[in-house]
Amino acid sequence: EVQLLESGGGLVQPGGSLRLSCAASGFTFSSDAMSWVRQAPGKGLEWVSVISGSGGSEHHADSVKGRFTISRDNSKNTLYLQMNSLRAEDTAVYYCAKDVTEYVGASEIWGQGTMVTVSS
Amino acid sequence: EIVMTQSPATLSVSPGERATLSCRASQSVSGNLAWYQQKPGQAPRLLIYGASTRATVTPARFSGSGSGTEFTLTISSLQSEDFAVYSCQQYNNWPRTFGQGTKVEIK
Repeated sequence: EVQLLESGGGLVQPGGSLRLSCAASGFTFSSDAMSWVRQAPGKGLEWVSVISGSGGSEHHADSVKGRFTISRDNSKNTLYLQMNSLRAEDTAVYYCAKDVTEYVGASEIWGQGTMVTVSS
Repeated sequence: EIVMTQSPATLSVSPGERATLSCRASQSVSGNLAWYQQKPGQAPRLLIYGASTRATVTPARFSGSGSGTEFTLTISSLQSEDFAVYSCQQYNNWPRTFGQGTKVEIK
């Protein structure tokens, strides 16, 4: 069964850091691009970052550029999101998602999400 | 950044009726458009990609059409499990962007 399981969310103070992890199983992890998408409470979906299957290419939303870093460890089938200089507006459920293929950037498999709350 | 605009914000439909949802892009995204369904407390679920290709487990009552800047998701006969929020997303340009969502509610 294809599965994604996020972890690492929690409460952090403004300006703080947090690292999210996403453990993948049931598919060839290194073959497909992986994304992070977030959803603030009561709001719509916001795409955050994507990384290619090899890890050699990445893109970020302007709202997180310079603060968030996406990475992956294909030997551990794990995706990461390092979040620094966190702001209140980063409060959201963070989902990891697998792209349909390396060339089709729709997200076909989603994790259950992990909540990040930025508050003093 | 490409802005995705969905309409209407809320659609009230009776079970068994047809629902038509729209998504407009601020510039052409070719056919690189996806539709997602999301129910309260759940992760989104991919319904359609490539503007018209159903995902593996998407029922045939869901269909997508359009290209360029105008896209439509049609649910031919609404079932009780279809009442949810539907979001479109373009993946033609960076950054990928979502629409604000259309809530399909029971009339």
